[in-house]
Amino acid sequence: GAVVSQHPSWVICKSGTSVKIECRSLDFQATTMFWYRQFPKQSLMLMATSNEGSKATYEQGVEKDKFLINHASLTLSTLTVTSAHPEDSSFYICSASQSNQPQHFGDGTRLSIL
Amino acid sequence: QKEVEQDPGPLSVPEGAIVSLNCTYSNSAFQYFMWYRQYSRKGPELLMYTYSSGNKEDGRFTAQVDKSSKYISLFIRDSQPSDSATYLCAMSTQGGSEKLVFGKGMKLTVNP
Repeated sequence: GAVVSQHPSWVICKSGTSVKIECRSLDFQATTMFWYRQFPKQSLMLMATSNEGSKATYEQGVEKDKFLINHASLTLSTLTVTSAHPEDSSFYICSASQSNQPQHFGDGTRLSIL
Repeated sequence: QKEVEQDPGPLSVPEGAIVSLNCTYSNSAFQYFMWYRQYSRKGPELLMYTYSSGNKEDGRFTAQVDKSSKYISLFIRDSQPSDSATYLCAMSTQGGSEKLVFGKGMKLTVNP
């Protein structure tokens, strides 16, 4: 149980384009979803927290206009990196939680901007 | 002082060894404690979830929480090469719906 699916697993795109990453909870309803960024050999850095039907809460220093988060249903959240540039290249990971249960993570999306 | 401290290692042990991983923390309000395992280029996988103090065992894994010392541990018995991964401790004050505070992660290698 508690499976979180993230898609795509790897994406390469040109600078200036927008990229959408999907995060789905497959066998439970996720009241809260989280988006993280992870740099090589570092721990996870929380970008934003989203509750279904509400606007996401962004961490300090994260540009909300650049990283658009939508949590339209209890099983789906999306992260759109707008006008991506090489410095946005990173490993993006989502997690999902039901009520006060622990967070379960997706397998991450490796984003490379050329 | 960081909220959560974890020795990043790396740690290398022979197959069959008992592995002890530890984290300390400073926020006495933390009540939920987790250990995640992360393989290279994958997302973290929940290994153990503990509320408040005490021990929890699941197969070869044992998690311990000592709130009086603000210290948590993960023990791996009979370690296997497949246990080679990065282990992250994480904690929160209000369970899964609240953001987690992570340790830096300890990279473990189990040599056959």
